[in-house]
Amino acid sequence: DIVMTQTPLSLSVAPGQPASISCKSTQSLLDRDGRTYLYWYVQKPGQSPQLLINEVSSRVSGVPERFSGSGSGTDFTLKISRLEADDVGIYYCMQSIEHPKTFGPGTQVEIK
Amino acid sequence: EVQLEQSGGGLVQPGGSLRLSCVVSGLTFSTNWMTWVRQAPGKGLEWVGNINPRGSERNYIDSVKGRFTISRDNAKNSLYLEMNSLRVEDMAVYYCARDRRPFDIWGQGTMVIVSS
Repeated sequence: DIVMTQTPLSLSVAPGQPASISCKSTQSLLDRDGRTYLYWYVQKPGQSPQLLINEVSSRVSGVPERFSGSGSGTDFTLKISRLEADDVGIYYCMQSIEHPKTFGPGTQVEIK
Repeated sequence: EVQLEQSGGGLVQPGGSLRLSCVVSGLTFSTNWMTWVRQAPGKGLEWVGNINPRGSERNYIDSVKGRFTISRDNAKNSLYLEMNSLRVEDMAVYYCARDRRPFDIWGQGTMVIVSS
């Protein structure tokens, strides 16, 4: 199984400041079709998870531009350029290149 | 509006059974893969398994193989998770979601408590 790791596991950031989360996989997520099956989700308090970023860097409709994803192969990053109060939650990366689909452990983001 | 309405959670004793349902509206259910994800109390997300549009292909994590069965009824726009031989470690909030490789639409979740 592909293991996903995230660092840090928790993050406390002042409003307006940037935040960055790293995600690493034990195997490359680049498929033979040229696509990289790495996604980012956020789970806000008391809510179901919601998809933020598709295939490394494509923001889902409605996701603010302050969220950006980057990376390739086995190393990926989610960045929030200026943290807002509404961004509080747990952020997960997930791979979908093969079964079983696996999530990272999550990164708790809070406002300082 | 797309909705995934879940039901069927509750309290069950270890070794017992439970069936979760997920009724989908606002999208063409019969053309979509569907998935189940769970979240144990205070823990992260764990993918449980998925099913293809026709119901002819299923995938599961090892820890539920032989105990859990995912099925669907396309005529009823419904997804199911039949859980047998439940263990304490199966206790979690279970989410259904549309599976397009990412899980882009999620249900509200339903709690399964396994306790004697």
